[in-house]
Amino acid sequence: DSGVTQTPKHLITATGQRVTLRCSPRSGDLSVYWYQQSLDQGLQFLIQYYNGEERAKGNILERFSAQQFPDLHSELNLSSLELGDSALYFCASSVATGTGVYNEQFFGPGTRLTVL
Amino acid sequence: DQQVKQNSPSLSVQEGRISILNCDYTNSMFDYFLWYKKYPAEGPTFLISISSIKDKNEDGRFTVFLNKSAKHLSLHIVPSQPGDSAVYFCAGQIYNQGGKLIFGQGTELSVKP
Repeated sequence: DSGVTQTPKHLITATGQRVTLRCSPRSGDLSVYWYQQSLDQGLQFLIQYYNGEERAKGNILERFSAQQFPDLHSELNLSSLELGDSALYFCASSVATGTGVYNEQFFGPGTRLTVL
Repeated sequence: DQQVKQNSPSLSVQEGRISILNCDYTNSMFDYFLWYKKYPAEGPTFLISISSIKDKNEDGRFTVFLNKSAKHLSLHIVPSQPGDSAVYFCAGQIYNQGGKLIFGQGTELSVKP
């Protein structure tokens, strides 16, 4: 158990819908990262938050957004869903921002999103 | 732009023998490299890391070797055990880019009894 929790475990929805994935980082970790793992792709970095502020952005679609709340939990919002958004979405957390220091990340169990 | 590549999608090894998983990278800005192990229906679990200024790091049965001139790293597992069967991902990290990990595609290791 990494200490990172993600809900829900599974999500099935229809095209055009909007969903919210939730992540609670390990106790004491200030950074949260979101990754997407599709069938034909490896783990792709989406976005990072550090202590409530956006720190880094990957190839995240404009239909996707995220935020980190004062209690440090994070939510990833996916809207206007398409079939191709079906994937595993992982959240990871770490103590530091990753700037200038080695930064081990601990991953949650993931949310499997299926868009029908 | 695949900055980290794991060219072998799968590897099968006999229990007790050595497993060697390979990873190539193109971005010479990486400061750290990490290996993660992933079981089905679970998130990736950190295994071992190596700084770009080192050429070897060892932790029990796991050793990672880094060849900067060849932009190549490898993970050695000795001896391999059936419980090591999983997908292994290597990842690169650049300090001043927030700590995001750039992952390879993964190699599925199967250790047969």
